[in-house]
Amino acid sequence: DVKVTQSSRYLVKRTGEKVFLECVQDMDHENMFWYRQDPGLGLRLIYFSYDVKMKEKGDIPEGYSVSREKKERFSLILESASTNQTSMYLCASSSQSDGSNQPQHFGDGTRLSIL
Amino acid sequence: DQQVKQNSPSLSVQEGRISILNCDYTNSMFDYFLWYKKYPAEGPTFLISISSIKDKNEDGRFTVFLNKSAKHLSLHIVPSQPGDSAVYFCAGKDNFGNEKLTFGTGTRLTIIP
Repeated sequence: DVKVTQSSRYLVKRTGEKVFLECVQDMDHENMFWYRQDPGLGLRLIYFSYDVKMKEKGDIPEGYSVSREKKERFSLILESASTNQTSMYLCASSSQSDGSNQPQHFGDGTRLSIL
Repeated sequence: DQQVKQNSPSLSVQEGRISILNCDYTNSMFDYFLWYKKYPAEGPTFLISISSIKDKNEDGRFTVFLNKSAKHLSLHIVPSQPGDSAVYFCAGKDNFGNEKLTFGTGTRLTIIP
């Protein structure tokens, strides 16, 4: 079974802090993703990565950055946390499709509160 | 621009009956669609998918139907069970060679015992 592990289930930070959310997958997947989930808005893609040191902006990248120094680890960084970044953050990974579509596998999420 | 729409935020169904969850999309470049199920305090789990070259895919109690001309897909669960109570998200993937998924806003399904 694919295991996607997010380092924290709950996190409380203050406005202006730099926040790191960590995600590790154990299936040697090439692709990794960061989403946020908000009521009534579904899952929205923040950033994704196809390979080590590669990153692509998703639909809502403003206020975030990412780091992928190792294949199994994908970090989401809130440069200066603001209250509108209070949300559920979900990490996912998938293998490269190469003609057969592969689903994304998700971690259990980090509920982040910015005070 | 909401490319994937789930117009019913919630749905209640009697146990044993059929649950039908609907999803509409606007992006004609989507060629693969997925349904995910999410329990509270857990991440979404993959349920079933369908390629745009098919109009139906079945897996046990779950069947997904795709109507490309109407840009509509639906998930049928029969018979519905209490453990099916969850939020269901549909998602589309385009054929540009990337792995991005675009998700809908979700439908909360409640199965009434």
